[in-house]
Amino acid sequence: EIVMTQSPATLSVSPGERATLSCRASQSISSDLAWYQQKPGQVPRLLIYEASTRAIGIPVRFSGSGSGTEFTLTINSLQSEDFAVYYCQHYNNWPLTFGGGTKVEIK
Amino acid sequence: QVQLVESGGGVVQPGRSLRLSCAASGFTFRSYTIHWVRQAPGKGLEWVAVISSDGSNKYYADSVKGRFTISRDNSKSTLYLQMSSLRGEDTAVYYCARETPDYGDHYLDYWGQGTLVTVSS
Repeated sequence: EIVMTQSPATLSVSPGERATLSCRASQSISSDLAWYQQKPGQVPRLLIYEASTRAIGIPVRFSGSGSGTEFTLTINSLQSEDFAVYYCQHYNNWPLTFGGGTKVEIK
Repeated sequence: QVQLVESGGGVVQPGRSLRLSCAASGFTFRSYTIHWVRQAPGKGLEWVAVISSDGSNKYYADSVKGRFTISRDNSKSTLYLQMSSLRGEDTAVYYCARETPDYGDHYLDYWGQGTLVTVSS
């Protein structure tokens, strides 16, 4: 099983600033990585797939990068609606696994 | 629009069984691979199981293998999760989620609202 490790667990950011979230895979997963956003009381929403492709309707301030074992989600100019928990998920093989999440909170 | 509506959750005693359902609409259900993902209260996401569009391929997380069975009825556009020998650690919101139609990619583009399963005596 591939273990996905996200860091930091919590990130405090001021509105308008940039947030950089990390996700590491325990073995190479090529670019088979997705990012999801989950707000309190809501369902996860797909943000990024193939490590760097934005899903339909996702604002350009969200960007993903990386391949192999190291991945990054960058949120430029954080808006109030961006404060949430973010999860990475690999889909390189079975079983699928998610990272533990990074909570982006208001500083 | 794509809709996934889970049902069947509730409170169940340890060791008992429960069956969840996920009713799909707004897309051609029989053409899509569908997953179950769960989230324990205050915790992260955990992938549970997947079934291919025709039901011929199924995979499970080790934590549920041998206890949970995923199935589907394409004539009813409905997904199921039969859960047996339930444990306290199975307490979670269970989501069904549609897999992208992109061949070979297993990310989840639509999620249901979830149904809460509580395993407690």
